[in-house]
Amino acid sequence: AQTVTQSQPEMSVQEAETVTLSCTYDTSESDYYLFWYKQPPSRQMILVIRQEAYKQQNATENRFSVNFQKAAKSFSLKISDSQLGDAAMYFCAYAGANSKLTFGKGITLSVRP
Amino acid sequence: GAVVSQHPSWVICKSGTSVKIECRSLDFQATTMFWYRQFPKQSLMLMATSNEGSKATYEQGVEKDKFLINHASLTLSTLTVTSAHPEDSSFYICSARDPGFSGGYTFGSGTRLTVV
Repeated sequence: AQTVTQSQPEMSVQEAETVTLSCTYDTSESDYYLFWYKQPPSRQMILVIRQEAYKQQNATENRFSVNFQKAAKSFSLKISDSQLGDAAMYFCAYAGANSKLTFGKGITLSVRP
Repeated sequence: GAVVSQHPSWVICKSGTSVKIECRSLDFQATTMFWYRQFPKQSLMLMATSNEGSKATYEQGVEKDKFLINHASLTLSTLTVTSAHPEDSSFYICSARDPGFSGGYTFGSGTRLTVV
């Protein structure tokens, strides 16, 4: 079974600074998707970024980028120029052949003004 | 983009009664939908996979007789919590794979269930 590990329960970042959220996963599949989802206080799940495992190039979406290390099974999220609106819970997730999303425990990110 | 509408957003029911939560894909057909449960400050736990026209697939430990799932059409899946008890109080979220599986999943806005 696939597992997703987010070992940091909380992180804090100064506004306008950069922060990196860590995620590791375990799988025996070669083809899969990885995601970072944001859940603000409204609890609406918002897709931040996704990565196809077959793509070597790291995904980027504006201020959000990932460092995907397939061999190490690592998938970290970097948030640049942090904004107050980035404060939320962030979940790393995996989807493989069965299409089920497996989530990590999540990390609460706070942004200091 | 793909939109999933979930209703109601919150519901309070008395212990022993049943409550139904609806999940609709508004602008696409979803042959598969997923139902999650989330406790405060915890992760999403997959409860079951809802398949249009067939029985839902439940995750280990989820009582299929308590959490009835029906996926009668390509745009609607429902979760009925039967004989609800206070321990069933939680946040329930549905999701569907984006059309054409561009690699994404769209989530409903969730339902906060409180059983009193």
